[in-house]
Amino acid sequence: DTAVSQTPKYLVTQMGNDKSIKCEQNLGHDTMYWYKQDSKKFLKIMFSYNNKELIINETVPNRFSPKSPDKAHLNLHINSLELGDSAVYFCASSQDWGQGGEQYFGPGTRLTVT
Amino acid sequence: AQSVTQLGSHVSVSEGALVLLRCNYSSSVPPYLFWYVQYPNQGLQLLLKYTSAATLVKGINGFEAEFKKSETSFHLTKPSAHMSDAAEYFCAVRKTGANNLFFGTGTRLTVIP
Repeated sequence: DTAVSQTPKYLVTQMGNDKSIKCEQNLGHDTMYWYKQDSKKFLKIMFSYNNKELIINETVPNRFSPKSPDKAHLNLHINSLELGDSAVYFCASSQDWGQGGEQYFGPGTRLTVT
Repeated sequence: AQSVTQLGSHVSVSEGALVLLRCNYSSSVPPYLFWYVQYPNQGLQLLLKYTSAATLVKGINGFEAEFKKSETSFHLTKPSAHMSDAAEYFCAVRKTGANNLFFGTGTRLTVIP
């Protein structure tokens, strides 16, 4: 059973479109995250979220918004897609909020904006 | 602020040789430190983590890392490289009481037969 799953695995879309990436974890974790990995493999946190707090990396454009329908899901919505949004997006989860627990990553979603 | 620096974006070793991937951290407080591995077209998998217990941490697949406060280092080693170790390796730091992981720029390990 996949611990952290993401759909779709690949997403190709045109500039200006709005798209969503779904993430689900079956680990019973309290906290979920979204990371962006650019073409040079650099990983950067975008959001961290549990039922108490949403922390947004200040460099993330407000076109990006996380939506959490329940504790097991954290979806990423992107409005007005731009070429620079092309990247691999990873969802992750961890058990403890700020307690040093390791994060478990999904397989990634490769977004290509044309 | 906390950050990590990985020296060497690309490391090549022969099969059976020692693997040494370098990571230095910068943190104002004792951090949590992690090594992750990313195989091609896959997500990140945790190799090992340091959370202020033993300074020598053993992980999966024969990897280990030693936390050296005096050198602010957390280098990853494996005595004998295997072809299956070829991947991208990321060092990451997390401050106690905080959630976010800050990743290094990664080191691509190539294993030569």
